[in-house]
Amino acid sequence: KNQVEQSPQSLIILEGKNCTLQCNYTVSPFSNLRWYKQDTGRGPVSLTIMTFSENTKSNGRYTATLDADTKQSSLHITASQLSDSASYICVVSDRGSTLGRLYFGRGTQLTVWP
Amino acid sequence: EADIYQTPRYLVIGTGKKITLECSQTMGHDKMYWYQQDPGMELHLIHYSYGVNSTEKGDLSSESTVSRIRTEHFPLTLESARPSHTSQYLCASSEGQGASEAFFGQGTRLTVV
Repeated sequence: KNQVEQSPQSLIILEGKNCTLQCNYTVSPFSNLRWYKQDTGRGPVSLTIMTFSENTKSNGRYTATLDADTKQSSLHITASQLSDSASYICVVSDRGSTLGRLYFGRGTQLTVWP
Repeated sequence: EADIYQTPRYLVIGTGKKITLECSQTMGHDKMYWYQQDPGMELHLIHYSYGVNSTEKGDLSSESTVSRIRTEHFPLTLESARPSHTSQYLCASSEGQGASEAFFGQGTRLTVV
């Protein structure tokens, strides 16, 4: 069964600190992995997208890593800001269908305190 | 900023009413999707479309229906709303398969009383 599991479920950190969010998946055959940021009551916004051959990708203070062998990914946030408070969703796409089906994790709810 | 729009943003409606949630994109994307998301839960695909006159049901069974008469427009309709339909509905579009970016609308928060 294709699944995406994220940890931790929720995380509270102080402003300026770093944090790392984890994503494990069983989706096969794998096409790509995306990290989205979703503010409360809004639609997800893409942070990074990685294919099989990519190990790391950065977008400002966000750095995603991918280990396709162990089927794990992480999202590292550097020097956190209050505006980073949101849900971070790991999404894995398969290449076994024309649709390129997206499988969503439940997200990690990050809260940044001043 | 993605050019995909959903209206209304919030909707409170009585049981038994017919409603249509609008979704439009100006990027010329062929693929469009509707997802349902309850608080703290993952997104579930309820409908998708490969292009004009193409609609398919997703993984999560839904009493809603969709249509795709124009590329840019993918409305979702509930003929008779019930409290169990209360949820957030997210529309998305993408250019193609593989590593194509999926862009999401802001969502419609539906409450059926």
